[in-house]
Amino acid sequence: AQSVTQPDIHITVSEGASLELRCNYSYGATPYLFWYVQSPGQGLQLLLKYFSGDTLVQGIKGFEAEFKRSQSSFNLRKPSVHWSDAAEYFCAVGAINAGNMLTFGGGTRLMVKP
Amino acid sequence: EPEVTQTPSHQVTQMGQEVILRCVPISNHLYFYWYRQILGQKVEFLVSFYNNEISEKSEIFDDQFSVERPDGSNFTLKIRSTKLEDSAMYFCASKGWSGGAETQYFGPGTRLLVL
Repeated sequence: AQSVTQPDIHITVSEGASLELRCNYSYGATPYLFWYVQSPGQGLQLLLKYFSGDTLVQGIKGFEAEFKRSQSSFNLRKPSVHWSDAAEYFCAVGAINAGNMLTFGGGTRLMVKP
Repeated sequence: EPEVTQTPSHQVTQMGQEVILRCVPISNHLYFYWYRQILGQKVEFLVSFYNNEISEKSEIFDDQFSVERPDGSNFTLKIRSTKLEDSAMYFCASKGWSGGAETQYFGPGTRLLVL
């Protein structure tokens, strides 16, 4: 069974500082990997995804993530955080099959200090 | 840009009542999903739907739940007799190809409160 762990429940960074959100997954084959962001009271917006090829993927809003097979990780990074990045971030893994339900991690709530 | 839409945005109901949550997936997508997020918890898969039938369902999706695509655009989740523990945010998603990968796009959610 697939699973996702986001070890950090809360992270606080200062505006302008760099950010890394951790994600570890468990899946028997090469998965599809996703990062979604959820602002308060809002739905889930796709930031980026990995399915094959280059292990460093670029997303929207200046985010990037790196797939490391040896570490079963897909960490999200941003070089300089903006106050508007404060939100909850979810890592998800999807099976590469027709149905491919997503399994989500518990989320990391990001707070940004001025 | 096409979006998944959901109605209503909020619903309050009494325990034991039936509720129907509605979704309009992105028009050329063929797979549809429901997920839920109980306050403070993970987003959990409920059910996937393809070609007018359930493709996969989780343990949560018991006989109290049903899904339907009554016409060419709507995709509904019905909870027959709501329980307090059904209070959650319910997300609809539809899946399409984007950038060479199958990607699920989520609606804004319906917040259901069962009293």
